Amino acid sequence: DAGVTQSPTHLIKTRGQQVTLRCSPKSGHDTVSWYQQALGQGPQFIFQYYEEEERQRGNFPDRFSGHQFPNYSSELNVNALLLGDSALYLCASSLSRLYEQYFGPGTRLTVT
Amino acid sequence: GQQLNQSPQSMFIQEGEDVSMNCTSSSIFNTWLWYKQDPGEGPVLLIALYKAGELTSNGRLTAQFGITRKDSFLNISASIPSDVGIYFCAGHPNFGNEKLTFGTGTRLTIIP
Repeated sequence: DAGVTQSPTHLIKTRGQQVTLRCSPKSGHDTVSWYQQALGQGPQFIFQYYEEEERQRGNFPDRFSGHQFPNYSSELNVNALLLGDSALYLCASSLSRLYEQYFGPGTRLTVT
Repeated sequence: GQQLNQSPQSMFIQEGEDVSMNCTSSSIFNTWLWYKQDPGEGPVLLIALYKAGELTSNGRLTAQFGITRKDSFLNISASIPSDVGIYFCAGHPNFGNEKLTFGTGTRLTIIP
């Protein structure tokens, strides 16, 4: 049973650039949530996608956007990158309204 | 917004010792989840709790959903080297709210 997968593993970008991160949910899951985790802190909720729509959003600017595809995989896009966007970006999947979220290994984004 | 405070922030124990940590909230939570995170990896779900007063075990781990619904506890018995890592509590503040709020984390270190 494949777990949550994310790509790429690591990414280095320059300030002002745009980045796209990808996530494939655990088999059988239809809901994907994205989190940002700064060094030494707990994950912070960015948004959640269900039925290809953004269901809920955390306190992140519009530079952060996402998309969910018919196969339930998801993308996180960040525009106009800032140095402060450097973090571990985590994707978590769950089965609809069940609250058990399973996390992928994350994508480490470094903005220089 | 809701905040989850975990204590202690860090623990230094010897192999074989029992461990206790807790998580408190300023408001009521309807679900509590406990995760373990190793460096550079995503959080791994350990235990999920859904009812006030609920006590759930997973091997050497036992977690409880506080009866006030504002706290949760995690105990680890007879610690082993692979227990090293950061433990996060997380919860959903209300039904229908898919946003998962994370605690500040407890870092567990085993002294040789």
